Amino acid sequence: KAGVTQTPRYLIKTRGQQVTLSCSPISGHRSVSWYQQTPGQGLQFLFEYFSETQRNKGNFPGRFSGRQFSNSRSEMNVSTLELGDSALYLCASSWDRNYGYTFGSGTRLTVV
Amino acid sequence: SQQGEEDPQALSIQEGENATMNCSYKTSINNLQWYRQNSGRGLVHLILIRSNEREKHSGRLRVTLDTSKKSSSLLITASRAADTASYFCATDAVHGGSQGNLIFGKGTKLSVKP
Repeated sequence: KAGVTQTPRYLIKTRGQQVTLSCSPISGHRSVSWYQQTPGQGLQFLFEYFSETQRNKGNFPGRFSGRQFSNSRSEMNVSTLELGDSALYLCASSWDRNYGYTFGSGTRLTVV
Repeated sequence: SQQGEEDPQALSIQEGENATMNCSYKTSINNLQWYRQNSGRGLVHLILIRSNEREKHSGRLRVTLDTSKKSSSLLITASRAADTASYFCATDAVHGGSQGNLIFGKGTKLSVKP
């Protein structure tokens, strides 16, 4: 079966711009989580969606937002980009939290 | 904040040797998971151990969990050059209905030399 698909793979944006990242989960997985990975802070949880509802949110500013569609596909949006937003953004989907998560290959965002 | 802390931060071994990585965490957990990441790519789920389990095997992997010490270990036996990667433990914590929030450690960078 197809894995978790994230698009685009790479992105370069300018400070102040906004960006939208996309994630298509494994078919049948209704939970989608987003993580930010940086060399300094490591892997940090952004938010989690289940059946189009945000169930949990990490400690990130309001510039980071997301949504989930009825087909479980998810998008995350970062507005007013800052240099510190440069990171690998990972999406993960799950059928049930007790069975682990499948991660996508990530979107590498560079803010210049 | 990081809950899991892996030890060592880096490990270099020869092919065929065993590699052991340790993870400590702070709060009560539903389960603990180990993931592998190759050079800045996506994470690959290796194994999940529930809070009521003490040991689990999957192929060349063996994971132990000691909830009294809030620690886990990952053993990779007969390592191969292809095992070269970063390994992360992640805890699915028990706190107030919070879900989908894995807390990762900073990882152990394993290098297996042919």
